[in-house]
Amino acid sequence: GAVVSQHPSRVICKSGTSVKIECRSLDFQATTMFWYRQFPKKSLMLMATSNEGSKATYEQGVEKDKFLINHASLTLSTLTVTSAHPEDSSFYICSARGGGQGVNYGYTFGSGTRLTVV
Amino acid sequence: QKEVEQDPGPLSVPEGAIVSLNCTYSNSAFQYFMWYRQYSRKGPELLMYTYSSGNKEDGRFTAQVDKSSKYISLFIRDSQPSDSATYLCAMSAGAGNMLTFGGGTRLMVKP
Repeated sequence: GAVVSQHPSRVICKSGTSVKIECRSLDFQATTMFWYRQFPKKSLMLMATSNEGSKATYEQGVEKDKFLINHASLTLSTLTVTSAHPEDSSFYICSARGGGQGVNYGYTFGSGTRLTVV
Repeated sequence: QKEVEQDPGPLSVPEGAIVSLNCTYSNSAFQYFMWYRQYSRKGPELLMYTYSSGNKEDGRFTAQVDKSSKYISLFIRDSQPSDSATYLCAMSAGAGNMLTFGGGTRLMVKP
């Protein structure tokens, strides 16, 4: 089945630094990828939608200059948290569309990245 | 009012119990309904999906959709400790459209 690899699974960084999270579709081409943020015991909050080769579409309230998304190929999307602050600490999850047929409409989730900014 | 409402729980049941998880929604355009299971610090994994109204069964899991009431359910029979996780309902207006998630219900199955 479709597999999405996300890494790192966990990262700790200092305040003010930038962190890059990668999301790769391993066995299919992902025309669209989604980036979510999840706070403890909360649901997934869609941050942005990225289509290969074009600029990402950000949800209202998400700072595009802070959360840089690049979807340069059909198998890779990256989320860079720039000038990270402790309030950016969260669980980030990517989802890729384009790998499945029928039952899951091609939505496959990565395993998530836990970011801690100290 | 949120577009999709889901009781956060936690819901604690003994092993072997029948579990009922539910979501209500307000957008009548939703046609595709999904249930995801998410273990702690992991990404969601698809359990069940249903198109429009009706029931669907897969092993110990049964998904029900009542579009007239804007109400969906997931039933888990013979619940196991390994079913302990957060269950998220999700729905969309069209195949491949952006998903709208419920807040998730945390389920704990005690041995």
